[in-house]
Amino acid sequence: QLQLQESGPGLVKPSETLSLTCTVSGDSISGSSYYWAWIRQSSGKGLEWIGSIYDSGTTHYNPSLNGRVSISVDTSKNQFSLKMRSVTATDTAVYFCARNEFFGNRRFDPWGQGTLVTVSS
Amino acid sequence: EIVLTQSPGTLSLSPGESATLSCRASQSVKSRYLAWYQQKPGQAPRLLIYGASSRGPGIPDRFSGSGSGTDFTLTISRLEPEDFAVYYCQQFDDIFTFGPGTRVDLK
Repeated sequence: QLQLQESGPGLVKPSETLSLTCTVSGDSISGSSYYWAWIRQSSGKGLEWIGSIYDSGTTHYNPSLNGRVSISVDTSKNQFSLKMRSVTATDTAVYFCARNEFFGNRRFDPWGQGTLVTVSS
Repeated sequence: EIVLTQSPGTLSLSPGESATLSCRASQSVKSRYLAWYQQKPGQAPRLLIYGASSRGPGIPDRFSGSGSGTDFTLTISRLEPEDFAVYYCQQFDDIFTFGPGTRVDLK
C-alpha cells in the first residue's frame, strides 16, 4: 500500500528557508509514471498547490509563489523534497505531499498526513 | 487562473438524507481535470472523484460526480455518519486550484 510521510522542522524563522522531505513507501518514485507534489493548507488561503516533480527532475511550480520554491527528488532514497526561501508568516500552513497523476487525469492520491510549519521568530 | 466557487458554504443534513454540492468554475474545465476530495478534521484530503465522474479506489457508490464545462456536482446519496466532513473540488489548467470547500454537518 502506497504511503507518504512528511518530515522537517515545525518552526522556521521569518526570512529563512523552509525545508521538508516526503518519504514514499510501498512504491518506487522511479519509473512510476506519476508526478509527486507538495500542497499546503492554511486558514487564510485554503488548499494551495505548490508544485510537482517527475522522477526525471522535471518540475512544475505555482507562479504565485514568485520563484521562492524548489522541489527536488532523490530516487535512491525514494524521497522528494521542498525548499521555500524567504518565508513570512503567511507561509504558516499544514504542508502535504501527495502522488500526482499528471498524464490523462489530474488528481492527487494518496496524500501524506501533513505537517504543520509555523513561521515565527 | 481558473477560480472555483463552491456552494453552499455549509449544508446541514441528517443521516440518510442526500447531499448535492456544487462547484462552479470561472472558465471551462476539461472534465478529466476535475476532482473532488473529502477532508475530516486533522486528516489529509482523500480523493473521492476524478475525471468529474469516476470514483477513486475504495470509494462507496453513494458518492457520484457529474457535470461539464463550468458546472460540476458531487452527490452523496443516503448520508452515513462518516460522511460529515468538508468537500473540495479541484481543477487543472496550467496550474492546479482548489475550491474553498463545502462543509456537510449534522443537522
